[in-house]
Amino acid sequence: EDQVTQSPEALRLQEGESSSLNCSYTVSGLRGLFWYRQDPGKGPEFLFTLYSAGEEKEKERLKATLTKKESFLHITAPKPEDSATYLCAVQARSGGSNYKLTFGKGTLLTVNP
Amino acid sequence: KAGVTQTPRYLIKTRGQQVTLSCSPISGHRSVSWYQQTPGQGLQFLFEYFSETQRNKGNFPGRFSGRQFSNSRSEMNVSTLELGDSALYLCASSPPGGSDTQYFGPGTRLTVL
Repeated sequence: EDQVTQSPEALRLQEGESSSLNCSYTVSGLRGLFWYRQDPGKGPEFLFTLYSAGEEKEKERLKATLTKKESFLHITAPKPEDSATYLCAVQARSGGSNYKLTFGKGTLLTVNP
Repeated sequence: KAGVTQTPRYLIKTRGQQVTLSCSPISGHRSVSWYQQTPGQGLQFLFEYFSETQRNKGNFPGRFSGRQFSNSRSEMNVSTLELGDSALYLCASSPPGGSDTQYFGPGTRLTVL
């Protein structure tokens, strides 16, 4: 069974204090790894897709990287508006030619001014 | 372009009742997936529809069902509601052409009393 584990569960940073969130996974036949951001009371907002080990994607203060066993979401000089729950999901084959997403439980990031 | 819309946004039901939730995907998207999100279990995959056919299904009891219409709009139904069905139900759509990215709606908050 596909498993996705995110750590830490919660992270509190001061504005400008860089850090990283971890997503480790166990899956047969990874097709892609996704990062989403979710604000309270809203649906997840797509951030990045990574497909192969060594791949990196950047968007503003966020950079996502992928290895064969885990992914990191690096946050550089965060601002209070970066506060949210960050979700990681892996897409793998679920039977035949179908694929499904398995999500981790997320990291709740709080950035204090 | 309008995003994924879900109705209703909030719903209160009592045990034993049934409920139908609606999802309108982004225009041009033909794949619709449904997820249940709870604090304890996180986001869990319910099912996926493509061109009016269920393409994938998660590990939920038969009380959970869905369908998709010719205009790609989708509904999910939960019969004989239980207290444990209280959750945020999220719908996501994917663009055609092989893209794996799923775009989420705001969700329907279901409370079962």
